[in-house]
Parts: sequence; C-alpha cells; structure tokens
Amino acid sequence: EVRLVESGGGLVQPGGSLRLSCSASGFNFSAYAMHWVRQTPGKGLEHVSAIGRDGGTTYYADSLEGRFTISRDNSKNTLYLQMSSLRAEDTALYYCVKDTSTWYSFDHWGQGTLVTVSS
Amino acid sequence: ETVMTQSPATLSVSPGERATLSCRASQSVGSNLAWYLQKPGQAPRLLIYGASTRATGIPARFSGSGSGTEFTLTISSLQSGDFAVYYCQQYNNWPPYTFGQGTKLEIK
Repeated sequence: EVRLVESGGGLVQPGGSLRLSCSASGFNFSAYAMHWVRQTPGKGLEHVSAIGRDGGTTYYADSLEGRFTISRDNSKNTLYLQMSSLRAEDTALYYCVKDTSTWYSFDHWGQGTLVTVSS
Repeated sequence: ETVMTQSPATLSVSPGERATLSCRASQSVGSNLAWYLQKPGQAPRLLIYGASTRATGIPARFSGSGSGTEFTLTISSLQSGDFAVYYCQQYNNWPPYTFGQGTKLEIK
C-alpha cells in the first residue's frame, strides 16, 4: 500500500522558515517524480513544486519567487520542501503527491500538513 | 499558463441520477487531463487520467471524455459517497500543472 506521510508544518512568523518532510512507503520511491501541492480556501489547489526521479530536474511555481527548495533523499524514501522568507499568502495545507509516472497525473496524495504564517 | 475552467461551480443532483461535470482548458492539453474527487477533510483522490482512463479501484459509473480543450466527467447513478468536490487538472502544458477551481456536487 502506498503511503505518504507529511510532517513539519506549524505556525511560523512572517519571514520565518520551515522544512516539510514526506516519508514515502509502499512503492519504489526512486522510480517516480514527486510533487508538493498546496490548498487554500481562496486559491484552491496550486502546484507548488516538483522534482524528478533522481533530483536532477526541479520546478517551482512563479509565486514562490525563489523562496522554496525541493529535494529528495532516495536512500531514505523522503521528499523535502525547504521554505524560507515565508509570507501570509503561503498559509495553506501542503500535500506531498506521487506522480503516476514521470510528469504525469498524481495518483497518490498524503493527508497534508498545515502551514500557518502569522504574527 | 493554461487556465482550467470548470462548470458549473455547484451541481445539485438526486441520488441515483446522472451527473455531468465540465472542464475547459484555455489551450489544447491533448488528452493529458485528470479528474480528482475530494471529500471533506480528505486529500484529493485520482479518478480519471488520460482524459478517459479510470484509476485503480474506481468504479465504472465514473467515465471521462474529451480531448483538446473540452472535457466531461460523467457519474451515472450517483451514490451517497459521490457527493463531494471534483477537480480537473492538466499535465500537458507545464510548468505549471494547473487545476480547475472545482465543482461541488451536492445532494438535491
């Protein structure tokens, strides 16, 4: 059974940093692209970042303006999202998502970790 | 960026009846279109990919059609667990992958 378990969310002040982690199990982690998607009531679902199977290819939403870094450790079956210079508009539920293959649809989602940016 | 527009925003249908949801892309996405269902308090779940292929474990009452810019998700004989929010997503013209704003399917 595929499992994706996010952690690392919480309350942080504007300008602060957080690192989200996603522990994956039940599939060959190194064989799939992985993504972070965030959800807010106002903006819906937003594709935030993506990383290729070996970490050599990465993507970031324009809205991030270079503040986030995605990475993966295939030896630990773990996906990361380093978030810095956080803003109120980054407040959202962040999902770790498994690609169906490579740059395809999203076939498994974690339950999400909530990031709240507020003073 | 490819903008995905779903209609209607809310659809009221009685259990046992058929529901038809629409998704339009601002430019062609070929058949690289997926549908997701999200129930309250849960993560989205993949229903359809490749515009018409059901994901593993998805019952046959869910069907997808379309290509290019116009897509439809049809749910025949609605059951209680089908009332939720449905999203379409394109993965043809990326970055970024883009989602529609969702259609809320509610009980009439």
